[in-house]
Amino acid sequence: DAEITQSPRHKITETGRQVTLACHQTWNHNNMFWYRQDLGHGLRLIHYSYGVQDTNKGEVSDGYSVSRSNTEDLPLTLESAASSQTSVYFCASSLATGGIYEQYFGPGTRLTVT
Amino acid sequence: AQSVAQPEDQVNVAEGNPLTVKCTYSVSGNPYLFWYVQYPNRGLQFLLKYITGDNLVKGSYGFEAEFNKSQTSFHLKKPSALVSDSALYFCAVREGTSGTYKYIFGTGTRLKVLA
Repeated sequence: DAEITQSPRHKITETGRQVTLACHQTWNHNNMFWYRQDLGHGLRLIHYSYGVQDTNKGEVSDGYSVSRSNTEDLPLTLESAASSQTSVYFCASSLATGGIYEQYFGPGTRLTVT
Repeated sequence: AQSVAQPEDQVNVAEGNPLTVKCTYSVSGNPYLFWYVQYPNRGLQFLLKYITGDNLVKGSYGFEAEFNKSQTSFHLKKPSALVSDSALYFCAVREGTSGTYKYIFGTGTRLKVLA
């Protein structure tokens, strides 16, 4: 069955370190998204991609970057981790054609920056 | 800019009673609206969507939602709540045009179904 996976599921890192969160989907979806979930804020969009070599900034992109070298993967990099980036991170993908507009979400990565 | 609002942080309902989780939206043009559910330590799961057509949309696990254009609302409903429905519920709207779009989420409503 097709799926979307994230790794690691839990990560503890120190302030100033570079961290990369992986997202891999086998739905063959062109569109992929990264969100962070924080209490009282719901889901906020960090970066998104409409296809290979395409990336776009979301509402909370400062301190994060993404790259899209193939259809399946959209890794999220924290260039220099800060305590404010402690959060739960979700990756999602969608097709948006043929009447299928909903997103499919990964299980999430809980990141703690100490 | 498009937006969605979920006015209630938490909704409590007794098992067997009907439940409603509220969502209002602000969009330009025709809205594409969605409901998702999140169980503890899990990702969001799609419940249902309104794209066009009938105002009453049926989805997974017995949930339905009513699209009301005049009131700009898309409330989630279920005739008889189960304890297992206790979870966090998100309303979302799609912003943008075909091929170049993103999703705007509400802040979520925690539903507690009491036995």
